[in-house]
Amino acid sequence: DQQVKQNSPSLSVQEGRISILNCDYTNSMFDYFLWYKKYPAEGPTFLISISSIKDKNEDGRFTVFLNKSAKHLSLHIVPSQPGDSAVYFCAAGGGATNKLIFGTGTLLAVQP
Amino acid sequence: GAGVSQTPSNKVTEKGKYVELRCDPISGHTALYWYRQSLGQGPEFLIYFQGTGAADDSGLPNDRFFAVRPEGSVSTLKIQRTERGDSAVYLCASSPGTAQTYEQYFGPGTRLTVT
Repeated sequence: DQQVKQNSPSLSVQEGRISILNCDYTNSMFDYFLWYKKYPAEGPTFLISISSIKDKNEDGRFTVFLNKSAKHLSLHIVPSQPGDSAVYFCAAGGGATNKLIFGTGTLLAVQP
Repeated sequence: GAGVSQTPSNKVTEKGKYVELRCDPISGHTALYWYRQSLGQGPEFLIYFQGTGAADDSGLPNDRFFAVRPEGSVSTLKIQRTERGDSAVYLCASSPGTAQTYEQYFGPGTRLTVT
């Protein structure tokens, strides 16, 4: 039972354009959502998070949007840069345990 | 400052052997997590420590897996009688453990290969 889903295994974008990565979830009890970026042979690096009481959070080139009624969130990267090429994981958490549930990731390739 | 460190970076072992994987969290972080990542998948939760105690071990797949954090800092994940299906990257993460702090900071992982 996949509680957090990233349905696009890969995405290719031109440098300077917007990258939009999508994530869907099934558990309405999640309190917060995070995006992580992962390069090969490294651990995931935290990018940005959003609480379930908000619908948008922005940090520089990265913006996360949350649509609770649709159980959907997205990460926008603008402008995209070649260094953004990596696997992006969506994660969700909530309740007393603090454990994160991860999606399967989307491989973003930003073409120069 | 120093991030989360994990040793060894790679471990190859034979089926049936015992292995220990070590995690050094960020200094001052009271919460520590272990995850496992298989090829093509996202990290999968194993166990969570708050201080010295395991607050949630619901992700441990069976009783061959055990983890400790005796002094509330370094943690060791122990796997007995390893099986080929245990092969994965084992990730450790830490966080300050304070309310409203959701981010977990990951180490580089230990790649375990069971032959």
